[in-house]
Amino acid sequence: DARVTQTPRHKVTEMGQEVTMRCQPILGHNTVFWYRQTMMQGLELLAYFRNRAPLDDSGMPKDRFSAEMPDATLATLKIQPSEPRDSAVYFCASGLGRRTAQTHTDTQYFGPGTRLTVL
Amino acid sequence: RKEVEQDPGPFNVPEGATVAFNCTYSNSASQSFFWYRQDCRKEPKLLMSVYSSGNEDGRFTAQLNRASQYISLLIRDSKLSDSATYLCVVNGERTTDSWGKFQFGAGTQVVVTP
Repeated sequence: DARVTQTPRHKVTEMGQEVTMRCQPILGHNTVFWYRQTMMQGLELLAYFRNRAPLDDSGMPKDRFSAEMPDATLATLKIQPSEPRDSAVYFCASGLGRRTAQTHTDTQYFGPGTRLTVL
Repeated sequence: RKEVEQDPGPFNVPEGATVAFNCTYSNSASQSFFWYRQDCRKEPKLLMSVYSSGNEDGRFTAQLNRASQYISLLIRDSKLSDSATYLCVVNGERTTDSWGKFQFGAGTQVVVTP
């Protein structure tokens, strides 16, 4: 059963520290998304990649957040320096990145999330 | 105004009853529509895609109304296990090189009671 995996599942850190979250997309998926979910804002798209190239990171605070895909099996999201307002659940999702008239293969499959608390 | 709007609920539904709720979207060029289900403290999971002609999957029926720019989800014969938050997802206009922007609604909470 193919799944998106994320590490760590939980992270507690102090303000100012660097945080790195990792995601392994489903093998064969060419599109990777990073989302942030909070009670107040709901689910927000931070960035997404297709074939490892960043397509859109307009949802991401550029001064402290960065997202990369070093290879097809790993996506990373870094926050440096972290702030208490960054506390949220960060989800990675992957998908196939194409759609035909018959299928909706632009479906996204979510990982279990990283629950980040910045003190 | 948000691009995708949902009634947050909660919709309190007796077991066995039918519940329906809508999601409105503002981008008339939107191409793909989905319903996701999210349980408390878990990741969203695809419930169903929404096709232009409407589609049904067991007790779940999704409809798309492009003219009025909304999608709906109907759950028949509600089970206790249907209690969750249902997220509406709309994929905006896609360029030749881009997926477009996936927009998530804030979710509709459904609580099925015995």
